[in-house]
Amino acid sequence: TQLLEQSPQFLSIQEGENLTVYCNSSSVFSSLQWYRQEPGEGPVLLVTVVTGGEVKKLKRLTFQFGDARKDSSLHITAAQPGDTGLYLCAGDWHAGTASKLTFGTGTRLQVTL
Amino acid sequence: GAGVSQSPSNKVTEKGKDVELRCDPISGHTALYWYRQSLGQGLEFLIYFQGNSAPDKSGLPSDRFSAERTGGSVSTLTIQRTQQEDSAVYLCASSLEFVGSGSNNSPLHFGNGTRLTVT
Repeated sequence: TQLLEQSPQFLSIQEGENLTVYCNSSSVFSSLQWYRQEPGEGPVLLVTVVTGGEVKKLKRLTFQFGDARKDSSLHITAAQPGDTGLYLCAGDWHAGTASKLTFGTGTRLQVTL
Repeated sequence: GAGVSQSPSNKVTEKGKDVELRCDPISGHTALYWYRQSLGQGLEFLIYFQGNSAPDKSGLPSDRFSAERTGGSVSTLTIQRTQQEDSAVYLCASSLEFVGSGSNNSPLHFGNGTRLTVT
């Protein structure tokens, strides 16, 4: 069973601070997705990264895929209360299929005023 | 447009009873997934349906768990003789039929889940 470890598990910061969330595995991903989940709702896709070393930006969120495609990071600049939620990475292990997208352990972020 | 719909949103049942959880995927999505999420943690894969292919049941935790997908659309997850450790949020997701690897991966669209509490 492939494992995706996320760190930190919990993060409480004040509005305006920067933060980075990490997603690590010993296995190589075909691609990796990041989701955000708010209480009472299902996860919502933020981004998909595919190429080793790839960097994608979504407003104040920057996603990076490791060169070896074993790890990824999510950096948030100037966090806002609306960023509060559970951040999940999910790895696709098999080229040509998305049949068993494996989710990470999650990072719960709280941004306070 | 309509998203993935799950019912009921909450279910409280007594230990030993059977429960059925329903998922209506997005119209036109041929892939359907069930995941389980405990205490706001990561998602545990349960089962996956893709078109008319045999489902991937490798994530089902025991033979008390089963799932069907009728007519390639609605899916039902059944838990027999529920136990307290079955308490969790059960999430359903659908996606377009997979057409390739990498950036062509179709994202998962999740429902809001069914919160199951076994007393």
